[in-house]
Amino acid sequence: QSVLIQPPSASGTPGQRITISCSGSTSNVGSNAVHWYQQLPGTAPKLLIYRNNQRPSGVPDRFSGSKSDTSASLAISRLQSEDEADYYCAVWDDRLNGPVFGGGTKLTVL
Amino acid sequence: EVQLVESGGALVQPGGSLRLSCAASGFTFRSYWMSWVRQAPGKGLEWVANIKHDGAEMSYVDSVKGRFTISRDNAHNVLYLQMRSLRAEDTAVYYCARGLIPKWQFYFDFWGQGALVAVSS
Repeated sequence: QSVLIQPPSASGTPGQRITISCSGSTSNVGSNAVHWYQQLPGTAPKLLIYRNNQRPSGVPDRFSGSKSDTSASLAISRLQSEDEADYYCAVWDDRLNGPVFGGGTKLTVL
Repeated sequence: EVQLVESGGALVQPGGSLRLSCAASGFTFRSYWMSWVRQAPGKGLEWVANIKHDGAEMSYVDSVKGRFTISRDNAHNVLYLQMRSLRAEDTAVYYCARGLIPKWQFYFDFWGQGALVAVSS
């Protein structure tokens, strides 16, 4: 059981908007910044969102992040087939003194 | 261009040892925290270990404490993970990643391509 809870799967059709949730606790999401990683099939993870809602250079503005209390969300608008991937939230956990990941959400574009 | 290239992955018997290396280039290696993150087959990501930019501080996930040692050679821009007493549950792709501090916003901005470690008799 991961420290951060994500839905195992999500799906949408091209052009739709979907959200992926990430639920934690006061020792992690509640007190530290949340980050999101995208892992395309057969590849290494890639930073998608950092510090709750910041996009690295090159990440389309279709991707956005938010955080409230002990929960965070990743939103993907104007869904495209190439968005099909696994998405992971991550955050520093003060109690464990290390970064923790969510279990990952597999996004399927129908 | 930041590059992280892992090497040393192999098939090893339970109880055996292995050392992974990660060659870094394209940035000032000695200025950054570095980490190892692993992914078991078909599973999610798990942080394994961190090392401070100067090597003065290391931390580990509980499941590898006392068995794994993270280290670095800042003169040659290489990160290491020495793994001992390997178990079947250590089977995973091991990624080298660059970490950005401070801890409250710690995240990995660049990742290597991964090295496969398989523990089996």
